[in-house]
Amino acid sequence: AQSVTQLDSHVSVSEGTPVLLRCNYSSSYSPSLFWYVQHPNKGLQLLLKYTSAATLVKGINGFEAEFKKSETSFHLTKPSAHMSDAAEYFCVVSDSTGNQFYFGTGTSLTVIP
Amino acid sequence: EPEVTQTPSHQVTQMGQEVILRCVPISNHLYFYWYRQILGQKVEFLVSFYNNEISEKSEIFDDQFSVERPDGSNFTLKIRSTKLEDSAMYFCASSVSAGVNSPLHFGNGTRLTVT
Repeated sequence: AQSVTQLDSHVSVSEGTPVLLRCNYSSSYSPSLFWYVQHPNKGLQLLLKYTSAATLVKGINGFEAEFKKSETSFHLTKPSAHMSDAAEYFCVVSDSTGNQFYFGTGTSLTVIP
Repeated sequence: EPEVTQTPSHQVTQMGQEVILRCVPISNHLYFYWYRQILGQKVEFLVSFYNNEISEKSEIFDDQFSVERPDGSNFTLKIRSTKLEDSAMYFCASSVSAGVNSPLHFGNGTRLTVT
């Protein structure tokens, strides 16, 4: 069975400081992993995806994530937070067919001016 | 950039009533999905749909639920005889193809409140 655990329900950072949103996964096969972002009153937008190519994945808006098999982790990072990054972030793992996505509980990111 | 659109953004209904949530997927996409998120809980898969039939469904998607693509553009989720526990945000999604190299594109969601 596939699942993801987002270790922090809330993260608060100051503008201009690094962002780290943590995600650990559980999968019975080589997983495909995604990060989605949800701004208030908006849909879920794909930030980046890992599908067994390069382990360091670059996404939109300066975000990146590193797949670490030994740690079963796929943490999301950004060197310098911007006010517009304040949103809910979801780590997602898909099943082997790519037909079902399993979401984490989400991490709410607050950026302090 | 093309978007998945959902209407209405908020639907209030009384327990026992039927509701239809509407979605217009991205026009060249072939795979369609419904997910829901009960307040404070995880986003959960309900159903996937391809070639005018359900390809997969979760345990949540019981006989109370049905999906339909009534024309070339709309994709609907019908909930018969709504229950209080159906109150949630319902997200429609679409993708070009199946498989992990074709990520899902989500709509903004419909917040369903059952009173």
